[in-house]
Amino acid sequence: KQEVTQIPAALSVPEGENLVLNCSFTDSAIYNLQWFRQDPGKGLTSLLLIQSSQREQTSGRLNASLDKSSGRSTLYIAASQPGDSATYLCAVTDTGRRALTFGSGTRLQVQP
Amino acid sequence: DTGVSQDPRHKITKRGQNVTFRCDPISEHNRLYWYRQTLGQGPEFLTYFQNEAQLEKSRLLSDRFSAERPKGSFSTLEIQRTEQGDSAMYLCASSSTGVITDTQYFGPGTRLTVL
Repeated sequence: KQEVTQIPAALSVPEGENLVLNCSFTDSAIYNLQWFRQDPGKGLTSLLLIQSSQREQTSGRLNASLDKSSGRSTLYIAASQPGDSATYLCAVTDTGRRALTFGSGTRLQVQP
Repeated sequence: DTGVSQDPRHKITKRGQNVTFRCDPISEHNRLYWYRQTLGQGPEFLTYFQNEAQLEKSRLLSDRFSAERPKGSFSTLEIQRTEQGDSAMYLCASSSTGVITDTQYFGPGTRLTVL
């Protein structure tokens, strides 16, 4: 059974810092990996999707990498802003399935 | 493209009552998913439809839960004889088989509180 772990569970940084969020998964037979953002009490917003054949994806100040063989992904946020404060969730789709398996998230607070 | 919509946004009910939630996917999306999220946890998969066919169900979907997607458009999730443990955010997502990345787009969720 696929399990997804995110470290750290919570992170507080001053505005302007670069930061890295970590995600690990136990079964490397994945179809893709997605990073989502969730604001308190709201739904999820898709940030980046990496196909299993890809190594990284970039969108603006966000860069996500994937090392499928070691079961790891990182989300790099450059020059963090208070508006980046949210919970960031990592999720994988196993090969042959459509369901997403999520980690518990990293709660990020960026201090002005 | 108005995004995925869910109704109601909030539902408070008493234990033992039945509740029904509705999800309207993005119009051109033929895949629809239901997830449940409790406080401090990531969402957990419940079930998935491709068009009107329910193709996968989680063990979390007990016999008190039933989901339908008539005509492959909107979907409903019904919980019968609600229990306090059913209190959670119920999230709906949709995606398209026509897009290779199969990105899932989520709605705002329905927050259920069972008293």
